[in-house]
This record gives sequence, structure tokens and C-alpha cells, in this order.
Amino acid sequence: AQSVTQLDSQVPVFEEAPVELRCNYSSSVSVYLFWYVQYPNQGLQLLLKYLSGSTLVKGINGFEAEFNKSQTSFHLRKPSVHISDTAEYFCAVSESGGGGADGLTFGKGTHLIIQP
Amino acid sequence: DGGITQSPKYLFRKEGQNVTLSCEQNLNHDAMYWYRQDPGQGLRLIYYSQIVNDFQKGDIAEGYSVSREKKESFPLTVTSAQKNPTAFYLCASSIVGGAQYFGPGTRLTVL
Repeated sequence: AQSVTQLDSQVPVFEEAPVELRCNYSSSVSVYLFWYVQYPNQGLQLLLKYLSGSTLVKGINGFEAEFNKSQTSFHLRKPSVHISDTAEYFCAVSESGGGGADGLTFGKGTHLIIQP
Repeated sequence: DGGITQSPKYLFRKEGQNVTLSCEQNLNHDAMYWYRQDPGQGLRLIYYSQIVNDFQKGDIAEGYSVSREKKESFPLTVTSAQKNPTAFYLCASSIVGGAQYFGPGTRLTVL
């Protein structure tokens, strides 16, 4: 069984400062990794994904993440945040062996709060 | 416009009632999923389907049922056996080996 730990439930950051949201996973098999963003009362929007290849993954809205297999981590970063980045961010994992079509395991989320 | 639609946006249920949440996609995705979201809990997988006429239980399937008669549709029924159904329900779809794309969600409240 796999699991995902998002180490911070809440991260306050000043506008235009850099941010890192941490995600660690555990799995006994190869995995696919994802970051999603959720605005209040809405569905989830895909920010970026790691399926294979380069360990540095670039996504939408200036976000990027780095897959570190030895540390089983997939931290999300942005060099300069904006007020509009205030949202809930979820890290998720699926086992790649089943083609990734057997559902995602999610972390509990990190609430990113941008302060002016 | 391709995407995933869920209806209704808000749903109220009385104790002992079954209710059905709709999920439709026109992305031509083979796989579809249902998740439940509770505050501070993240999302938990209820059921998923990789192909028409086949589906599997997720982590919290008790008190729920699904059907997959068409590729585009994956309705979820919340039965009276589900003891704590108040939650935000999210439907998603994907190609096999791809990322999941989510609908806007249905908020179910038990009165």
C-alpha cells in the first residue's frame, strides 16, 4: 500500500517570496506523482505530473517539482508567489504498474496563504 | 468544450434516502473515479472503473454503489447504509497511464 505525507498543513508566505510545499510518499513499487490545486468550493486542477523521464517537472502557473527517488519526495516550488496562488495544494501518488488507472492516494493537503 | 460535468452542485438528503450523483465526461477517457473529500482529510477513493461494465472498490466503498453502462457516464449512489454521507464528492477521469482530470464536485448534506 502507498501513502502520502504533506508535512505542513498550512504555509504562510509573503507576496513575491519563494515557496516550497513538501511532499513525501511511501510505496514498494514504481509510482506516478502529481500535484493538484483546489480553490474554495471547486474541483481539483492539475498543476504538474511526474510519469517518467526528467526528475524536474515544470507545470502551470510557474510551479515546478523535483522527484527524488532516494528521499521519496516530490516537493513543489515557486520562485515568486502571487495573491492568486492562495489555495489548497494536494500531492498524490498512484502505482505505475497498473497503468496508473487504479486511483490516486492523496495527502491531506497544504493550505498556502499569501500575505500582502 | 471537453470536460467533466457533475450534477447537481448541491444536494440535500433526508435520513434513510438513497441519492444519485451524476458524472459525465466527453474526454473519451476509459477510466473514471469517485472520491470523497472531508475537511482536513484530503481525498479518499470510493470506486473506480477502468472500462465499461467493470468497476472496483476503493478504500471507502461501504455504503456506496456505482454503475458503468456507458464510457461517458459513471453515476454514484449514496445509499442509506452510508452512516456519514455529508461531504464533497469529486468525480475524475483519465486515460490509462495518464493524469486524472476532475469535475467541479457535488456537495451533499444530510438533513
